[in-house]
Amino acid sequence: GDSVTQMEGPVTLSEEAFLTINCTYTATGYPSLFWYVQYPGEGLQLLLKATKADDKGSNKGFEATYRKETTSFHLEKGSVQVSDSAVYFCALRLGAGNMLTFGGGTRLMVKP
Amino acid sequence: EAQVTQNPRYLITVTGKKLTVTCSQNMNHEYMSWYRQDPGLGLRQIYYSMNVEVTDKGDVPEGYKVSRKEKRNFPLILESPSPNQTSLYFCASSPIRDRTTYEQYFGPGTRLTVT
Repeated sequence: GDSVTQMEGPVTLSEEAFLTINCTYTATGYPSLFWYVQYPGEGLQLLLKATKADDKGSNKGFEATYRKETTSFHLEKGSVQVSDSAVYFCALRLGAGNMLTFGGGTRLMVKP
Repeated sequence: EAQVTQNPRYLITVTGKKLTVTCSQNMNHEYMSWYRQDPGLGLRQIYYSMNVEVTDKGDVPEGYKVSRKEKRNFPLILESPSPNQTSLYFCASSPIRDRTTYEQYFGPGTRLTVT
């Protein structure tokens, strides 16, 4: 079945450090890919998305490129802030309907 | 304000005592869904609904029921809760159009503890 694998956390960085959170997927077709962010005590919010190979999603300084050849959608940010501390979920959607398949989530902690 | 609301936000209950978690959205979305979030497992879908009176099982439906009598509401029912249903539950909704670019809007979550 379809699945998403994320690097395990927590990831602890100092402010202004470079961030990479790895995400790879397995799918029987050509999924749309998403990154969601969950701030403490809140629900998930869509951070960025990409719907086809080589698309780059970007938002709030975060970027991720849909790599079909490596089935990956790694999340990057050049300079993290304390306010970026949250749990990040990679997800895919395949086919009709809105069903999302999520990875296990990666907690990011940014220290001043 | 466009939003998905859930009630209650926190609930502690005992094994076997029926409970309902409500979910409501004010965006006229056709699609609604329930997820549970457990450490290391991400979010797993329990049930979803494509429209009024149309519901279907997700990945982990056992022990749960849902109904969709109105477009805006999608309650989650635990007829006989058990400790393994202790979890953080999220409701989500989204429109069904433009099949490649829509996003799901999530509620704030309901933390359920079953003792």
